[in-house]
Amino acid sequence: EIVLTQSPGTLSLSPGERATLSCRASQSVPGSYLAWYQQKPGQAPRLLMSGASSRATGIPDRFSGSGSGTDFTLTISRLEPEDFAVYYCHQYGASPPHTFGQGTKLEIK
Amino acid sequence: QITLKESGPTLVKPTQTLTLTCTFSGFSLTTSGVGVGWIRQPPGKALEWLAVIYWNDDKRYSPSLKSRLTITQDTSKNQVVLTMTNMDPVDTATYYCAHFRGVYDWYYYYWYMDVWGKGTTVTVSS
Repeated sequence: EIVLTQSPGTLSLSPGERATLSCRASQSVPGSYLAWYQQKPGQAPRLLMSGASSRATGIPDRFSGSGSGTDFTLTISRLEPEDFAVYYCHQYGASPPHTFGQGTKLEIK
Repeated sequence: QITLKESGPTLVKPTQTLTLTCTFSGFSLTTSGVGVGWIRQPPGKALEWLAVIYWNDDKRYSPSLKSRLTITQDTSKNQVVLTMTNMDPVDTATYYCAHFRGVYDWYYYYWYMDVWGKGTTVTVSS
């Protein structure tokens, strides 16, 4: 089972700043099949990125994803108020279970 | 537009069996490259992948829960049902169903969740 470790656990930033979220895998993720999800309180997760760097439909271009192998990054270029949420990475390249990271909480500073 | 909605009991007793239903629209589970599955989230904790059923009726389960889970589909009703036996208070969580999209690459599908239901909260308590 691939273990995903996200860092930092909490990120405190102000609107307009740049956010960099990290997701590290315990072993290489085949095909860079890694997704990112955003979850706001009381809501279901929303797909942001698949295949490490492909934005989902309707996701603003201030969101970008990168990485391969064991190291992946989600970058939000200029934070908007609605971006403050919890972000999860998820690998789906290896056999099930398709694991999630423990989440990074992005909070307003 | 793809939508999914979870339904089932909000409270179950320890040792009971939980049955959750996912009713979906906007796609067919007979279309290749499509799946429907379940993910749960205990209060204040991370997401946990549970099970998925694919368009060809193939099924996959989380190894740690495999002995307790069963996933089935009723294509005539556009429903997927998850049963979990021997419920315990640690199974208290919000249970989500999701549309799985398969990426075909080198004779194999790789599956991610692109649309989620709103979730249903299940509490296990006597």
